Amino acid sequence: GAVVSQHPSRVICKSGTSVKIECRSLDFQATTMFWYRQFPKQSLMLMATSNEGSKATYEQGVEKDKFLINHASLTLSTLTVTSAHPEDSSFYICSARTAGTQNTEAFFGQGTRLTVV
Amino acid sequence: RKEVEQDPGPFNVPEGATVAFNCTYSNSASQSFFWYRQDCRKEPKLLMSVYSSGNEDGRFTAQLNRASQYISLLIRDSKLSDSATYLCVVNRGYSSASKIIFGSGTRLSIRP
Repeated sequence: GAVVSQHPSRVICKSGTSVKIECRSLDFQATTMFWYRQFPKQSLMLMATSNEGSKATYEQGVEKDKFLINHASLTLSTLTVTSAHPEDSSFYICSARTAGTQNTEAFFGQGTRLTVV
Repeated sequence: RKEVEQDPGPFNVPEGATVAFNCTYSNSASQSFFWYRQDCRKEPKLLMSVYSSGNEDGRFTAQLNRASQYISLLIRDSKLSDSATYLCVVNRGYSSASKIIFGSGTRLSIRP
């Protein structure tokens, strides 16, 4: 299957700092990328959907000024958690889908475990 | 009400048993459906797509009932390695505007 690389896999940062997470599709062009957050023992919650070259669409309750998403190319999307707080500590996963029909599966990055101290 | 609902479990069954998971979705604009598997602290991986005609892959059978907005997954002859969380996934909407929505997952534990 297609490969999505997410980096870093684990990061610890201080409160008030910003953290950038990268999501790359290695062997395909991802017109759409999704960012999810997963708290312990809970499901993946969609945060935002980004289409290459356009602004991300955020889900209700997700602060777009806090979670900055950039999808500047067909192989790279970034999520920046700004002014991080301990409650932002979570598992963040990106997902990428190829162009074409919506019936194609989504491929996931390995996830980033963020701990804010 | 969640857009995609699943029984969270946990299901604790003996090796060799047959186990079934159900999932319901509320948005009629949902177009395609999948079952993903997620192991602890790992990313989800596609288990199988779900088609209206039903589909089978080895020990796994998936069914879709669009009228009832219901999806199921059946695992036969369960193995210890089947222990994981199973996520019902719905692709809602069309083309680039479509979104992938996850259920909360059903935890399965297979005991020897």
